[in-house]
Amino acid sequence: AQSVTQLGSHVSVSEGALVLLRCNYSSSVPPYLFWYVQYPNQGLQLLLKYTTGATLVKGINGFEAEFKKSETSFHLTKPSAHMSDAAEYFCAVRQGGKLIFGQGTELSVKP
Amino acid sequence: DAGVIQSPRHEVTEMGQEVTLRCKPISGHDYLFWYRQTMMRGLELLIYFNNNVPIDDSGMPEDRFSAKMPNASFSTLKIQPSEPRDSAVYFCASSFRTNTGELFFGEGSRLTVL
Repeated sequence: AQSVTQLGSHVSVSEGALVLLRCNYSSSVPPYLFWYVQYPNQGLQLLLKYTTGATLVKGINGFEAEFKKSETSFHLTKPSAHMSDAAEYFCAVRQGGKLIFGQGTELSVKP
Repeated sequence: DAGVIQSPRHEVTEMGQEVTLRCKPISGHDYLFWYRQTMMRGLELLIYFNNNVPIDDSGMPEDRFSAKMPNASFSTLKIQPSEPRDSAVYFCASSFRTNTGELFFGEGSRLTVL
């Protein structure tokens, strides 16, 4: 069975600093990987996804993630944090017809 | 196009009462998912449907929970009787064929059982 592990339930950065949210996956087949964002009192929105092809994936709001098979990782990055990036971020892996989500990482951005 | 629509957005009820949560997926989507989100357990998949047929209900916690999808534009999640430990945010999501696996989520139904 596929699974994802997000390292760090809470990450705090200063505005303008690099954002790095970590995700490692476990999969017996080539994975489809996703990052979703959840703003307070809202549902989840897709940030970006990796299916096949280029391992560096660009998403919305300046976020990107790199699929590294050798490290079984799919870390999310953004060069410069903005206050509006404060939210909870979920990594997910596709298993059959469903998505399996990690536990989530809450990102705080300090002025 | 309208997104996934859930109702009610908030529900407060007393233990033992029946709760019905409703979902209208995006038109044309053939997969529908029910997730539950709590602080302790994160996001849990309860059940999902393909073309109105339940495919995997292994995440349904117990017999008090039931879900139906009578047609392509409507699904319900029912809890009877409800218990305080059922308090959570329940999300409905839909997708098309899961070729890429992208799910579109509703805004959720926040359930509080007193």
